[in-house]
This record gives sequence, C-alpha cells and structure tokens, in this order.
Amino acid sequence: AAGVIQSPRHLIKEKRETATLKCYPIPRHDTVYWYQQGPGQDPQFLISFYEKMQSDKGSIPDRFSAQQFSDYHSELNMSSLELGDSALYFCASTLNEGLPNEKLFFGSGTQLSVL
Amino acid sequence: AQKITQTQPGMFVQEKEAVTLDCTYDTSDQSYGLFWYKQPSSGEMIFLIYQGSYDEQNATEGRYSLNFQKARKSANLVISASQLGDSAMYFCAMRGDLSGTYKYIFGTGTRLKVLA
Repeated sequence: AAGVIQSPRHLIKEKRETATLKCYPIPRHDTVYWYQQGPGQDPQFLISFYEKMQSDKGSIPDRFSAQQFSDYHSELNMSSLELGDSALYFCASTLNEGLPNEKLFFGSGTQLSVL
Repeated sequence: AQKITQTQPGMFVQEKEAVTLDCTYDTSDQSYGLFWYKQPSSGEMIFLIYQGSYDEQNATEGRYSLNFQKARKSANLVISASQLGDSAMYFCAMRGDLSGTYKYIFGTGTRLKVLA
C-alpha cells in the first residue's frame, strides 16, 4: 500500500539559506500535518491543512510557510535558516471524517541539518 | 488544555518479559482517541494501537495491548513477550476536538531498551 512520501530524506543547508520540504500524502487523504522533532524530543506540531486550506497552526516560526496544493501534496518552505532549525521534520496524513479514531500515517521524515 | 504525560523517560526490560509504558492524559473533550506510536532509531513513526474514549474494551494488537482506565485518564501500553526489536522510543498521542481542528498532541516519549 502507498505510504506518505517525503522528500528529500536528508538535507544539509547553511545558516540564512532556504529549504523546501515536500510531502505526498496517502491517496485520498485530505489532511496533512507537519511536525518538527528535535533530537531526543517529542514531535512538535507546526501546521496542518485540510482540503487545501490551513486548518490549524502550531509553533511554526514566521520564517516558515506551508501550503497544500490541488493534488493534496504539501510543501514546507523555510527561510533564513538557523542552527536551531536542525531537526527531523515529519509529514503525516489522514482522511478527516471528524472521528477520533483517525490515525496519523507518518512519512519517513526529512532530516534537516543547518550548518 | 489538552496534555499527554509520559513519566518514564527510559525503561529496561528483559527479553521475553512484559513491560508497561505509562501514559496519562488530560482533556475536556467527551470524544477523543488515544494512540501509541513506535519510533525506532531509524526515525520513522510506526502506528501501534488505538483506543477510543467510548470503547468499552481495551484495545489489543498482537503483542500490544492498551490498559485504558478512563476514570483515571490513563492509557498504558503493555508489550508482552518483549523482543530485541522492540527497543525504540514510544510516544503516546491523543486526538481530540480542539475547536474543531482535531489536533494530535504527543507525549515526551519513553525510550525502551530490551535486554538480551
């Protein structure tokens, strides 16, 4: 079965550069979540999209932006990168039917290293 | 506010023994879901088990079972017959209805080490 696909798998950038992370949800999933996980930490919610509209916003810095496209894939754009942005970035998708049992399916994550 | 608490930063268990990973939660929602995810050293997040707030029976999935005590707001994960491959980080998560956004929140995780 198709899973959530994230690219790239690894990304190395320098301070003040920009980065774009991509996420392709499971087919027919209409909701995408982005999480940031620092070393040894729990995933922190950044932002989510439902039916191509932003549905919720978490601790996402103003330097970051994201969107969901007509084919439901999503991109996280990160500008003016800082050392503290080094983390594992997860995308997760689900089919949102308003039920509490809708589990998140995670991608393998993008490991971002800012030097 | 919704919150997930995992009080065990790390746990050790002998191979083939059972282990319980603790999770308590706080929510004002009447309907919510509780999840456990496993994160091996390779980094991916793997869904293990789900428990709904209205489910009367504890969830089970193979060697995983969830000890759900609604009144105590706890949803502990029980892994039976531990295997070396169970060594990983384990996250408890909750999905509730926060202003209709159905946000998922995670606990801080428990690192489990299975000893041979």
